[in-house]
Amino acid sequence: DSGVTQTPKHLITATGQRVTLRCSPRSGDLSVYWYQQSLDQGLQFLIQYYNGEERAKGNILERFSAQQFPDLHSELNLSSLELGDSALYFCASSAVGSQRETQYFGPGTRLLVL
Amino acid sequence: AQRVTQPEKLLSVFKGAPVELKCNYSYSGSPELFWYVQYSRQRLQLLLRHISRESIKGFTADLNKGETSFHLKKPFAQEEDSAMYYCALRVSGNTGKLIFGQGTTLQVKP
Repeated sequence: DSGVTQTPKHLITATGQRVTLRCSPRSGDLSVYWYQQSLDQGLQFLIQYYNGEERAKGNILERFSAQQFPDLHSELNLSSLELGDSALYFCASSAVGSQRETQYFGPGTRLLVL
Repeated sequence: AQRVTQPEKLLSVFKGAPVELKCNYSYSGSPELFWYVQYSRQRLQLLLRHISRESIKGFTADLNKGETSFHLKKPFAQEEDSAMYYCALRVSGNTGKLIFGQGTTLQVKP
């Protein structure tokens, strides 16, 4: 088990709503990454945090935001949800977020927007 | 532009047959390439990385900078190898951002 946990496992909501996905990194890891896996776009990097600070940004929509808290857990907030936001959202963590580290993935949160 | 291409969505082979999952990348700098695997109902996990030059579960992959490829190979496929395989590129810089290919589903038939 990689130790990265994500809650909830599944989320069903309606268009226009707002949801929060939570991620707890492996013990000792300072960096957290968010990825979106959808049928049409595949696995896409959204954003990376290191020790509470944003380090890198990918294809993250303006309706989405994230933060990393002092206890190092991270939350991904998705607002004004659209049908196309339905996807599997993965969180990953690594020790310090530098280039040569292995990222360990969580089980994902499956979001369905109806 | 940084891009990873896995041309096959599905690769179906018989048990014992050789397997090659193709991966090509587009990146002007010094790349770091990975293969991740996702077994049914399990999380994504690292299979191997080019800098380690190791063999995991019988799989190997060699980085070919001339052809910008990082194909995953196994001489004799096993049924338990059936899974989704993702090739990923990490670009240089002070970030761990991974760029993934679309993934290839490997189906090993008995």
